[in-house]
Amino acid sequence: DGGITQSPKYLFRKEGQNVTLSCEQNLNHDAMYWYRQDPGQGLRLIYYSQIVNDFQKGDIAEGYSVSREKKESFPLTVTSAQKNPTAFYLCASRPGAGYGYTFGSGTRLTVV
Amino acid sequence: GNSVTQMEGPVTLSEEAFLTINCTYTATGYPSLFWYVQYPGEGLQLLLKATKADDKGSNKGFEATYRKETTSFHLEKGSVQVSDSAVYFCALRGAQGGSEKLVFGKGTKLTVNP
Repeated sequence: DGGITQSPKYLFRKEGQNVTLSCEQNLNHDAMYWYRQDPGQGLRLIYYSQIVNDFQKGDIAEGYSVSREKKESFPLTVTSAQKNPTAFYLCASRPGAGYGYTFGSGTRLTVV
Repeated sequence: GNSVTQMEGPVTLSEEAFLTINCTYTATGYPSLFWYVQYPGEGLQLLLKATKADDKGSNKGFEATYRKETTSFHLEKGSVQVSDSAVYFCALRGAQGGSEKLVFGKGTKLTVNP
């Protein structure tokens, strides 16, 4: 079955360490997105990519980095520059403009 | 810029009660409107959508009508079940400029008791 896989489901890291969250899709979707979810805050867009080897900053890109070397993969790195990295991170994809989004099941990152 | 405001929760109902979750938006032009549902520990699933004024989206007994005159997209269900307990997000995708991005409300947590 096609879908989006985020791994791991839970991730713990020490303060000051970089960490990379995985997002893989086998839907052949062109566009991929990373959102951050905090309690009572809704979802906020971190980065998005509409095509391989291209990506744009979202509303809260500071302290994060991404790459899009392959169509099916869009990893997110949370760097030590991110002040409050503890959150639930959601990856999404869609075929292109005018189509709906498919979401992964999320990764909960806790920085201690 | 585009924004979505939805009623704050949490909302607690008894089984078979009527549900309304209010959602209003600010956007230029004619955005597309969505309701997503998130069950505990999971990602978001599309519940329903509407792409133009007066459209009614419906799915699993839930309905929402795109009201341009009141800039609203309220979610309703006539008889909720315990299995409807989840967080519900209203969202919009702009009609022009930045249309690649979904803008979400803060979410409304619904708990349905037997």
